[in-house]
Amino acid sequence: AQSVTQLDSQVPVFEEAPVELRCNYSSSVSVYLFWYVQYPNQGLQLLLKYLSGSTLVKGINGFEAEFNKSQTSFHLRKPSVHISDTAEYFCAVSRTNYGGSQGNLIFGKGTKLSVKP
Amino acid sequence: GAGVSQSPSNKVTEKGKDVELRCDPISGHTALYWYRQRLGQGLEFLIYFQGNSAPDKSGLPSDRFSAERTGESVSTLTIQRTQQEDSAVYLCASSSTSGTYNEQFFGPGTRLTVL
Repeated sequence: AQSVTQLDSQVPVFEEAPVELRCNYSSSVSVYLFWYVQYPNQGLQLLLKYLSGSTLVKGINGFEAEFNKSQTSFHLRKPSVHISDTAEYFCAVSRTNYGGSQGNLIFGKGTKLSVKP
Repeated sequence: GAGVSQSPSNKVTEKGKDVELRCDPISGHTALYWYRQRLGQGLEFLIYFQGNSAPDKSGLPSDRFSAERTGESVSTLTIQRTQQEDSAVYLCASSSTSGTYNEQFFGPGTRLTVL
């Protein structure tokens, strides 16, 4: 079984400051790792993903994340946030592909990022 | 092209009533997933369809929940005898199964409120 822990339920930060949203996972099998963003009253949007290869992955809107296998972490970072980054961010994992199906996503409980002027 | 659509966008019902939630996946996507997002919680997996078969129903919380899919198109999630704890946003996602990795695309969700 897999599980995802997002260590912070809320992160307030001032505009133009850096931010890190933390995510740890547990799995007995290999997984893909994801960050999704949900803006107020909108659906989920994929921010970035780690499938294989380079452990530093870059996503949309200037976000990046680093996969650390030894620490089973996949923390999300942005060097300078904007007001428009205010949203809820979800870390997720899924089993790597088998039998033609990716399998369902397992999500953390989310981190609400609030960017203040 | 068109994304995943869900209807209704909002549904208010009385405790004990049955509700049906609809998902229209992206055309050609063979895989379809239902998730539930309760207030203050992450998304919980409910059920997965590959075509019109459901190889994984492990997330359905009780026998009041059921789902079906017609071919590789529309899916309906039915909740019988709704309870207040069923109040949540129900999200549908679809993906192709053509590659090693297939991104899941999410619909806007149906917000269900059980009074």
